[in-house]
Amino acid sequence: EAGVTQFPSHSVIEKGQTVTLRCDPISGHDNLYWYRRVMGKEIKFLLHFVKESKQDESGMPNNRFLAERTGGTYSTLKVQPAELEDSGVYFCASSQGPLAGGGNTGELFFGEGSRLTVL
Amino acid sequence: EDKVVQSPLSLVVHEGDTVTLNCSYEVTNFRSLLWYKQEKKAPTFLFMLTSSGIEKKSGRLSSILDKKELFSILNITATQTGDSAVYLCGAESYNTDKLIFGTGTRLQVFP
Repeated sequence: EAGVTQFPSHSVIEKGQTVTLRCDPISGHDNLYWYRRVMGKEIKFLLHFVKESKQDESGMPNNRFLAERTGGTYSTLKVQPAELEDSGVYFCASSQGPLAGGGNTGELFFGEGSRLTVL
Repeated sequence: EDKVVQSPLSLVVHEGDTVTLNCSYEVTNFRSLLWYKQEKKAPTFLFMLTSSGIEKKSGRLSSILDKKELFSILNITATQTGDSAVYLCGAESYNTDKLIFGTGTRLQVFP
């Protein structure tokens, strides 16, 4: 079974440019999460999709970040325009049920991350 | 603000040593604590702890939660070079579906 896949592995762009990161969750997983790790800091939650709906986007830094999950399958995270402080590793994760739901195992499957470097 | 603190930040040991990684948390309406191992890129799930005092084991790894003192430990006995990784601790609450992560503990095991 294919795991969570993310593309690209690494993107280097200049400040002011646009980047779109893609995440393909495990097939059948309704819950999709985006997290970000900035150098030297903890992994921080960005947002959570249930199918195509944004369940919680409280972690999105600002309106330069736009996440979509059309059709409830893969998701994209666009940064426009990118700033230096956006550099980091963007992780996508998926789960079958919600983390806070009853009876779940807590197993959140992570992708390998997309490293973004903004120069 | 909810937070998770892990210690130490980094640990270097020799094969065969036993290590204890610490995770303390302050999370409103705490529900569970999760441990992940991140070797190269993708964090992989290790344990989920919801009840105090019940040890979870998987091979040489074990973990326990103390909900009174708000911390968890992850023990690795007889460490091997393959245990080298960043170990992440995350806490979740009943309020929301997101994990609050600590900065992780980087473990390096040398032969």
